[in-house]
Amino acid sequence: QVQLVQSGAEVKKPGASVKVSCKASGYTFTGYYMHWVRQAPGQGLEWMGWINPNSGDTNYAQKFQGRVSMTRDTSISTAYLELSSLRSDDTAVFYCVRVDTGSYGESDYWGQGTLVTVSS
Amino acid sequence: DIQMTQSPSSLSASVGDRVTITCRTSQYISNYLNWYQQKPGKAPKLLIYGASSLQSGVPSRFSGSGSGTDFTLTISSLQPEDFATYYCQQSYSIPRTFGQGTKVEIK
Repeated sequence: QVQLVQSGAEVKKPGASVKVSCKASGYTFTGYYMHWVRQAPGQGLEWMGWINPNSGDTNYAQKFQGRVSMTRDTSISTAYLELSSLRSDDTAVFYCVRVDTGSYGESDYWGQGTLVTVSS
Repeated sequence: DIQMTQSPSSLSASVGDRVTITCRTSQYISNYLNWYQQKPGKAPKLLIYGASSLQSGVPSRFSGSGSGTDFTLTISSLQPEDFATYYCQQSYSIPRTFGQGTKVEIK
């Protein structure tokens, strides 16, 4: 069965960076794009960007350009999200999301989420 | 960016009620519209993709309709486990955008 298992919660100080991992299993990792979505406490869902695990190509939301990096290690079927220059309003749950680009681009599987708290 | 307007932002309903949530997009998106359900502390779950296709394993009381810019999610007979927040999302273009959510509460 398809599973996306994310790394554990993080507490970071303002200005620091965080790197969240997402290990995929149960399907061909390079066959589906991986998107990242975040959700601030009590708020809605915000799309951050995608990575094509096959090619390594990325596409980031303009809001995060310059301080986000999405990478992958195909040997261990793991995608990574790194966000730098953290601010208090980056406190959120971050989700990795598998996207079926062969269908309607729907997000059919989600990781369990990683809470990143930014606090001094 | 394509703007998503969901309505209502919240609603109160009883078990057995028919519930309808609408989503309007600022631009034409054909049928590239998806619906998700989120319960507190959990990741969102895909319910409907391509505006009207039911995701595998999702109960048939959920249905979606619409095309172009206007879309609807309907729950034909609300069940206790359906109390949650529902989001629409367009997958027509980048950046992907979500509606602000509709919280379905118990009356």
